[in-house]
Amino acid sequence: DIVMTQTPLSLSVTPGQPASISCKSSQSLLPSGGKTYLFWYLQKPGQSPELLIYDVSNRLSGVPDRFSGSGSGTDFTLKISRVEAEDVGIYYCMQGTQLPLTFGGGTKVEI
Amino acid sequence: EMQLVESGGDLVQPGGSLRLSCAASGFTFSDHYMEWVRQAPGKGLEWVGRTRNKANSDTTEYAASVKGRFTISRDDSKNSLYLQMDSLKTEDTAVYYCVCDCRYWGQGTLVTVSS
Repeated sequence: DIVMTQTPLSLSVTPGQPASISCKSSQSLLPSGGKTYLFWYLQKPGQSPELLIYDVSNRLSGVPDRFSGSGSGTDFTLKISRVEAEDVGIYYCMQGTQLPLTFGGGTKVEI
Repeated sequence: EMQLVESGGDLVQPGGSLRLSCAASGFTFSDHYMEWVRQAPGKGLEWVGRTRNKANSDTTEYAASVKGRFTISRDDSKNSLYLQMDSLKTEDTAVYYCVCDCRYWGQGTLVTVSS
C-alpha cells in the first residue's frame, strides 16, 4: 500500500497569513504515461470532507483561489495564500493512483 | 445540484449485519465510480471499497480490512449505492461516507458495533 505522510500534524495560523501543508507518498504517484491522482480535502468541524484540489493542482469549481496545490512524484504541497477564519479544520491528502486509496493522517489548522 | 444521502446506520452487535444505502441525485449516477470511505470516532479517513461504473462492468474492489465481510453493490436504475456489512466487528464502528469519483461526499451515516 502507498503510505501518505502529512506534515505538520497541526498548524496555528494568523488570519491573512499564508499556510503550507506537505504530503509525501511512499512511492511515486505518477504511473508511466498517466496522471497523478493526488487530492486535497478539508473537513470542517462537524462536517464531511470536501474536495479542494484534484490531480495535484486543479481547484474544484467554487474553491477560492487562495488555495493552490503543487508537486510531483512523491512530494506535494497545499498552500493557502491568506488564511481566513472559515479555513479551520482538518486537511487531508489522498492518493488515487493505486488501490487501496490511502489518506494522509491529516493536518489540523487552527486560527 | 449533486447530492449524496447515506442512510441505514445503526447500533449493531458484534457479528451482526447491516446494510447502508446512498441515494444519489443531480448527476448521471451510472457514469461514475463510487467509493465508500469511513471515519472512526476522532480518527482519520479510511477507504473501504469501490464500485466502478457501468462502462467498467460495475466491478468492485475492497480494502483488506473488510474483504470477505463487506459487499458493495449499485442499482443504476435507482441511482443508489449499497454497502452490505456482515460479521461486523467493534473496529468497524465509524461514520460511513459514500463518495463520487473521489470528489463529492455525502454527509455520512454512523455505524456503531457494540454489545
